[in-house]
Amino acid sequence: EVQLVESGGGLVQPGRSLKLSCAASGFTFSNYYMAWVRQAPTKGLEWVASITNSGGSTYYRDSVKGRFTISRDNAKSTLYLQMDSLRSEDTATYYCTRARIYYYDASFAYWGQGTLVTVSS
Amino acid sequence: DIQMTQSPSVLSASVGDRVTLSCKASQNINKNLDWYQQKLGEAPKLLIYFTNNLQTGIPSRFSGSGSGTDYTLTISSLQPEDVATYFCFQYNSGWTFGGGTKLELK
Repeated sequence: EVQLVESGGGLVQPGRSLKLSCAASGFTFSNYYMAWVRQAPTKGLEWVASITNSGGSTYYRDSVKGRFTISRDNAKSTLYLQMDSLRSEDTATYYCTRARIYYYDASFAYWGQGTLVTVSS
Repeated sequence: DIQMTQSPSVLSASVGDRVTLSCKASQNINKNLDWYQQKLGEAPKLLIYFTNNLQTGIPSRFSGSGSGTDYTLTISSLQPEDVATYFCFQYNSGWTFGGGTKLELK
């Protein structure tokens, strides 16, 4: 059974950093592109970042470029999101997602339960 | 950047109704579109991929169609468990979600 379990969320002050993790199991992690999607309270979904299966290529939405870094450790089957210079508008539940099929960058068939990040002084 | 506009933002319908949700892209997205369902307090669920392909385990009352810039999610006979917010998502150029349509029971 595919499982994605996020951790690392919490309350953080503006300008500080936080690192999210997503532990994956039930599939060959190194075969799949992964992504982070977020959802601000009572708002819609927002794609944040994606990473290829090898980790060789990464992609970001404009509002987080230069502040967030997506990475992965295929040996540990873990996806990360390093978030620096956090802003109040980054407050959201962050979901780890997996594509439906190998080497594909969309159609997120699997989602974690989400981890809440609150940026506030 | 491609913008995705969903309409209506809120839809009220009765059990058994045929329901149609719309999603319009700001440019041609070549059918590179998914639909997701999100129930209150839950993670989103993939319903339809590449415009008209039903994800495994999704009831056949859900269907998708469209091309170019205009796409539709149809529920042929609304059930109480379909109350949720529905999001379209394009991946033709970058990745963008629509704003969502909240589906309520009348």
